[in-house]
Amino acid sequence: DIQMTQSPSSLSASVGDRVTITCRASQSISSYLNWYQQKPGKAPKLLIYAASSLQSGVPSRFSGSGSGTDFTLTISSLQPEDFATYYCQQSYSSYSFGQGTKLEIK
Amino acid sequence: QVQLEQSGAEVKKPGASVKVSCKASGYTFTSHAMHWVRQAPGQRLEWMGWINTGNGNTKYSQKFQGRITITRDTSATTAYMELSSLRSEDTAVYHCARGVDYMDVWGKGTTVIVSS
Repeated sequence: DIQMTQSPSSLSASVGDRVTITCRASQSISSYLNWYQQKPGKAPKLLIYAASSLQSGVPSRFSGSGSGTDFTLTISSLQPEDFATYYCQQSYSSYSFGQGTKLEIK
Repeated sequence: QVQLEQSGAEVKKPGASVKVSCKASGYTFTSHAMHWVRQAPGQRLEWMGWINTGNGNTKYSQKFQGRITITRDTSATTAYMELSSLRSEDTAVYHCARGVDYMDVWGKGTTVIVSS
């Protein structure tokens, strides 16, 4: 099974900050990496698919990069609605999610 | 608009089974696979399995093999997930989600509580 590890597990930031979240796979997954945003009590929302493709309707301040085992999600300028938990997910071999990164207001 | 509407919350006793439904609307049901993902309280998202809604083929996480059955009814544009031999650790929110390599539309989730 492919293990996905995110860092950090939690992060405090301010509106307007640039934030980067990292996701590492236990083996190479090419670009089969997706990012989701989840707010409390809500379903996850797809942000980025195939490592760097922006899902339709998602603001351009979100971007993704990486391939192989190391990936990043960047939010260029945090907005109040961005405070949430973010998950990476691989689809290279079966499917698995990272443990999540909780982004909180500083 | 594209929607996945899930069935209501369930309370089950240990050892029982639960069947959750997911009705799709706003798109061609058989053109997109359907996944089932659960989230126990305070835990990460956990993939359970998926179904090719066109031909009915399924693939399950090894963790749930033998306890999970995913089916679909194309005429009702509905997917189903049945989990048997429930234990307290199965208490979670269960989501259906459309897609193959990525999950672009999600149901709101069905809460399943397993308690004696």
